[in-house]
Amino acid sequence: DADVTQTPRNRITKTGKRIMLECSQTKGHDRMYWYRQDPGLGLRLIYYSFDVKDINKGEISDGYSVSRQAQAKFSLSLESAIPNQTALYFCATSDARTSGSVEETQYFGPGTRLLVL
Amino acid sequence: RKEVEQDPGPFNVPEGATVAFNCTYSNSASQSFFWYRQDCRKEPKLLMSVYSSGNEDGRFTAQLNRASQYISLLIRDSKLSDSATYLCVVTHGSSNTGKLIFGQGTTLQVKP
Repeated sequence: DADVTQTPRNRITKTGKRIMLECSQTKGHDRMYWYRQDPGLGLRLIYYSFDVKDINKGEISDGYSVSRQAQAKFSLSLESAIPNQTALYFCATSDARTSGSVEETQYFGPGTRLLVL
Repeated sequence: RKEVEQDPGPFNVPEGATVAFNCTYSNSASQSFFWYRQDCRKEPKLLMSVYSSGNEDGRFTAQLNRASQYISLLIRDSKLSDSATYLCVVTHGSSNTGKLIFGQGTTLQVKP
């Protein structure tokens, strides 16, 4: 079984709809992240969480919200989806003990392809 | 200016070729550096960390030049399976933020 899972894997929705993307991990990591990937722009950080009570905005948090329901679960919500939120969304985890070092690794889920019509 | 810049390519090379990718970063306070690999429509995965003195892992060699804020990845004896997008990644500043900054990636296509 994959260590980091995301649901759904693909989603088509309409402008104005609320949508939630979910992420679960079995790696026991305390840190979790949400990114979006757009062609030519690379991965951009939306939100990140260092533990259940610690949520931080990334570089492109407008239009998104998150919830860290447990150490293993981190969900991303689009309150009112718009077409420019069409992208590939990745969840990732990392171990705080390696943070900032050359040993740091972020482990990514398989991604959610979201299309907003 | 992007914090991490890479030539998007694509680099089209024959099997067995040696190919090098370069990356520049703007934040001189960045402390840790990495190369991630991303296959088409898949998630990024760590390929290798980049050590200050440079490091090698099989056919892959990574180099860091802090003075020029420049990172490189050299792939020798390219295989068809090396075809992917290679992401240059640096830590955000000097503090223990856990935040990584990703370049847009360089696409490599190895041809038979």
